[in-house]
Amino acid sequence: EAQVTQNPRYLITVTGKKLTVTCSQNMNHEYMSWYRQDPGLGLRQIYYSMNVEVTDKGDVPEGYKVSRKEKRNFPLILESPSPNQTSLYFCASSFTLRGNEQFFGPGTRLTVL
Amino acid sequence: AQKITQTQPGMFVQEKEAVTLDCTYDTSDPSYGLFWYKQPSSGEMIFLIYQGSYDQQNATEGRYSLNFQKARKSANLVISASQLGDSAMYFCAMREGLRRGGSNYKLTFGKGTLLTVNP
Repeated sequence: EAQVTQNPRYLITVTGKKLTVTCSQNMNHEYMSWYRQDPGLGLRQIYYSMNVEVTDKGDVPEGYKVSRKEKRNFPLILESPSPNQTSLYFCASSFTLRGNEQFFGPGTRLTVL
Repeated sequence: AQKITQTQPGMFVQEKEAVTLDCTYDTSDPSYGLFWYKQPSSGEMIFLIYQGSYDQQNATEGRYSLNFQKARKSANLVISASQLGDSAMYFCAMREGLRRGGSNYKLTFGKGTLLTVNP
C-alpha cells in the first residue's frame, strides 16, 4: 500500500530533550516536506527536500533540522525543543515531474512541557 | 496579504443537501495548482481534488467538484449530497510555480472551514 508513515504518532517531552520524528514513504517520491499545524494558522512549511542530500528551509525553520540521506526517509530533528514547538506535525511527499497530489502522513502530535 | 483566504470559519449543512466552501487565492504566477484537503477529527489530511491553472474544465471527483473562476481568483469546493461523514475541517491550498524547474513544491494553506453536517 502506497503510504507515508510517521513515528511516533504522539509524543510528550520536556524542554531541551532532543527528539527525532521519523518520516518514510514507499512511493519513490523525490520531494518531501514537513509542515506544522497550529490552531488558527493552518499548515506552515518547516523544511523541504527536492531529492537526496538536497534540503532547504520553508517558512518556519527555526528550531528544526532535517536530513535526507536516503530517498525514502526525511526525519525531523528538534535539537532542543521548546514549548512553542508544541504542534501537530505532518510529513508529505510527491513526485516532482509528474502528478500533483501531495501525500500526507498521519501526523505526529507533539507536546513540549 | 494572505495567499489563500477561506472566509467561512464554520459552515452547517443538512444531510443530503449540497454545500459550497469558499476559497480565494492571490498569486501573480501564471502556473499554479489549487488543492482541497479534508481533515476529519482523527487528524489525517485527505486529498480531495485538484485544479491546475491551465485546466480548461472544472475538476470533479465523485461528489466533489471545484468551481474554478480564474478571473475572480476563486476555487470554491462544492460537495453534493452531503453525508454525516463529511463533517470535518476543509483546507484550500495552492502550489505556485508549477512549470518552474527546481521550485519548492510547497503548499500554502488557508486557515480552513469547519463543516458540520446535521442529520
